[in-house]
Amino acid sequence: EAGVAQSPRYKIIEKRQSVAFWCNPISGHATLYWYQQILGQGPKLLIQFQNNGVVDDSQLPKDRFSAERLKGVDSTLKIQPAKLEDSAVYLCASSSGRAERVYEQYFGPGTRLTVT
Amino acid sequence: AQSVTQLDSQVPVFEEAPVELRCNYSSSVSVYLFWYVQYPNQGLQLLLKYLSGSTLVESINGFEAEFNKSQTSFHLRKPSVHISDTAEYFCAVSDLGNAGKSTFGDGTTLTVKP
Repeated sequence: EAGVAQSPRYKIIEKRQSVAFWCNPISGHATLYWYQQILGQGPKLLIQFQNNGVVDDSQLPKDRFSAERLKGVDSTLKIQPAKLEDSAVYLCASSSGRAERVYEQYFGPGTRLTVT
Repeated sequence: AQSVTQLDSQVPVFEEAPVELRCNYSSSVSVYLFWYVQYPNQGLQLLLKYLSGSTLVESINGFEAEFNKSQTSFHLRKPSVHISDTAEYFCAVSDLGNAGKSTFGDGTTLTVKP
């Protein structure tokens, strides 16, 4: 079974530029999460999708961050415009969405973003 | 709201020594608890979980954790560590009925020295 795929693995941009990250979850997983992991901290949930609907985006800075999961499969997270404090690793995770299994998250390798 | 506190940011130990990584949580409802491991330049991997039943849970590589409801703790232990256990370990909590949303601690870096 293929794992969660993310691209790119690394990205360096200047502040005020825009950037997009892509995630393809494990096949059949209905729930998809985007996390931001700042150096020295644990992952912080940005947005959670159930199929192509948003379950929780309360921690997403909506003035600059946006995310979509149009067909209920892969997802894109965008930052526009980027700030220095957005430098972090962006993790995508998925879970099966069935009963207790919804709590077992499988993570991709992450995208390390550096904003200069 | 739920929160997780990992009491040690760094734990250095010698190979074959025992180790305990401490995790405390706060929540107003029943919870599920998890430990994830992150090796360098990799994503997080689920190490073990407490959902229900026995309060002592084990992983396939010798780690165990015990859910203590009265002390709101879920400490991770291993009786004898290997060099390959060097990694960052994250404790996470999910409120039951919260659609799978987890809150993570800030991690503990375990460094196993020869």
